[in-house]
Amino acid sequence: YDLTQPPSISVSPGQTARLTCSGSAFPNQYCYWYQQKPGQAPVLVTYKDSERPSGIPERFSGSSSGTMATLTISGVQAEDEADYYCHSAGTSGGWVFGGGTKLTVL
Amino acid sequence: QVQLVQSGAEMKKPGASVKVSCKTSEHIFNNNDFNWVRQAPGQGLEWMGWMNPNSGNSDSAQKFRGRVTMTRNTSTTTAYLELSGLSFEDTAVYYCTKASKTTGDGFDIWGQGTMVTISS
Repeated sequence: YDLTQPPSISVSPGQTARLTCSGSAFPNQYCYWYQQKPGQAPVLVTYKDSERPSGIPERFSGSSSGTMATLTISGVQAEDEADYYCHSAGTSGGWVFGGGTKLTVL
Repeated sequence: QVQLVQSGAEMKKPGASVKVSCKTSEHIFNNNDFNWVRQAPGQGLEWMGWMNPNSGNSDSAQKFRGRVTMTRNTSTTTAYLELSGLSFEDTAVYYCTKASKTTGDGFDIWGQGTMVTISS
């Protein structure tokens, strides 16, 4: 993958989850983050590194520094348990997704 | 509500082709490229390619070149993905997706997905 994500992360409710995405295209290219729950289409939770679409809770925030982008979920709730994917421009053109991180809320 | 409405599930034999449709409103159709993303069972998201709805220009990820064709019908505001030379590894849910004006290139509009099963 052009974008590398850890396969899984576990946090307790109310804690902060930090999901990372490493890629050589950063910081020249924006990072986008998606949440996907079983049997559903992905949902965009942040765009252009740190912007949040309307309707996405404020506890979701994005950032980028050097070759690493991060999705931070503050005060994790049970409903945040899902797979999360980062997305950016591919080094060979077009777009790529990271391999995904499964967030488990303990 | 679902703003991109995709065609129903398909079952195909190895070597065959499949064509998936993605219908939307004129407003959404004309703004920004269509992108196709697939997800094999239990696997992650895989970007396949993009198509400009106005010019019809398209490009695909290297691994799909020669096998994928992306087209559109501007009269019915429908985009199509056709994948040929199907193998068992092409079993996946296929999504069409677009970015709205507000999210840059972030895909915030998704179809419901079309399950394509390759079986002998």
